[in-house]
Amino acid sequence: AQSVTQLDSHVSVSEGTPVLLRCNYSSSYSPSLFWYVQHPNKGLQLLLKYTSAATLVKGINGFEAEFKKSETSFHLTKPSAHMSDAAEYFCVVTRGTSYGKLTFGQGTILTVHP
Amino acid sequence: GAGVSQSPSNKVTEKGKDVELRCDPISGHTALYWYRQRLGQGLEFLIYFQGNSAPDKSGLPSDRFSAERTGESVSTLTIQRTQQEDSAVYLCASSLEGSNQPQHFGDGTRLSIL
Repeated sequence: AQSVTQLDSHVSVSEGTPVLLRCNYSSSYSPSLFWYVQHPNKGLQLLLKYTSAATLVKGINGFEAEFKKSETSFHLTKPSAHMSDAAEYFCVVTRGTSYGKLTFGQGTILTVHP
Repeated sequence: GAGVSQSPSNKVTEKGKDVELRCDPISGHTALYWYRQRLGQGLEFLIYFQGNSAPDKSGLPSDRFSAERTGESVSTLTIQRTQQEDSAVYLCASSLEGSNQPQHFGDGTRLSIL
C-alpha cells in the first residue's frame, strides 16, 4: 500500500521569499510521485512528476522537487514566491502498476503576502 | 476545447434524488478516473476506466454509486438516492495509459445535497 503525508496544512510566505512544501511518502513499490496545484474552484494542474529518472525534477512556474529515497521525501520548492502561487498544493503517489490509481496527500494551502 | 470537460459545474438537489454527472475526456485518452473531494480534504479515488471497462471500482463508496463509459469517450457518474454525505466536488481526470502518465483534471462538479 502507499500513502502520502504533507507535513504542513498551511504555509505562509512573503512575496519574493522561498517556498518549501514538505511531503513524505510510503510505498511498497517503486513510486511515481507528482505535485498538483489547485486554484480556488478549479481542477488540478500538474506541476511536475518524478518517474525514476533524475531525482531533481523541474516543473512549471519555477517549481522543482527533489526525490530523496533515503528520506522517503519529495519536497516542493520555489526560490521566489509570487502572488499567483497562492493555492492549494497536493503531493500524490502512485505505484508502478499499469494504471494510475493516485493516492493524494491532505493538501497544503500556500498563502503569499505582499 | 482541448481539456477535460465536466458538467454541470454546480448541482444542488434534494436528499433522496438521483443525480448524473458527466465527463468528457481529452480525445485519445483511454484512461479515465473519477475522484471525490470533500471539503478541506484531498481527493479520494472512486473508479478507473480503461476504455469502456472498469477494472477498478474499489473506491465507490456504496451501491448507490455507479459509473459508465461509452467507448473511449464520455463517462457518467450516477448517484442514486442521494444523501447529505454525498456533498462534495466530483473530479474527473483522463490520461494516456500507464501509471506514470500525468492525469489531466476537469474543473469538477460541485454537488450539494439539501
